[in-house]
Amino acid sequence: QLQLQESGPGLVKPSETLSLTCTVSGGSISSNNYYWGWIRQPPGKGLEWIGSIYYSGSTHYNPSLKSRVTISLDTSKNQFSLKVSSVTAADTAVYYCARLRILEWRNLDPWGQGTLVTVSS
Amino acid sequence: ESVLTQSPGTLSLSPGERATLSCRASQSVSSSYLAWYQQKPGQAPRLLIYGASRRATGIPDRFGGSGSGTDFTLTISRLEPEDFAVYYCQQYGSTGLTFGGGTKVEIK
Repeated sequence: QLQLQESGPGLVKPSETLSLTCTVSGGSISSNNYYWGWIRQPPGKGLEWIGSIYYSGSTHYNPSLKSRVTISLDTSKNQFSLKVSSVTAADTAVYYCARLRILEWRNLDPWGQGTLVTVSS
Repeated sequence: ESVLTQSPGTLSLSPGERATLSCRASQSVSSSYLAWYQQKPGQAPRLLIYGASRRATGIPDRFGGSGSGTDFTLTISRLEPEDFAVYYCQQYGSTGLTFGGGTKVEIK
């Protein structure tokens, strides 16, 4: 059974870079049927897609975040990562990683449990 | 970019009742790229419906999806206690994924 697990600092200072890693177990990140994505959810609010990456390294980003976001992957470790630069309090959110199906359908399944990142000095 | 608007914002119903949730897109959406998720407090979203009408693995048949173009509906035929949660629709378009604002189904 495929599982995803986010990891990284829970507290980041304003203007610094937020860095998270998603470790995939129970399956390979090098699949041609899926992208691997990041989604966030500010406390008490809705979901926002951040971006996605294919095993080849091809990426797609939310236009509203594109200038500050980098997603990369390490196939040898079966992991993919997120960096958000120049963070502010508005970047405080629960960050989820998920698998994005791209063969015929487009949906996110499964999801990691999420990790809360707070931006504060 | 297609904006998804969900209504109502909150739905107050009793167990056993039928729930009808709406997701309206500002531009036509491919049915293949329309999905619904359920989220309970403190949990990650869970895929319910993909391709507008296909139930994900393990999802009870009381959950149904329908619609096309710009209007999509999630129906829960008879609410069980575990169905009270927030529901999100999602579409995939030219600029990537977008989500609706969510509908909270609460116990009346």
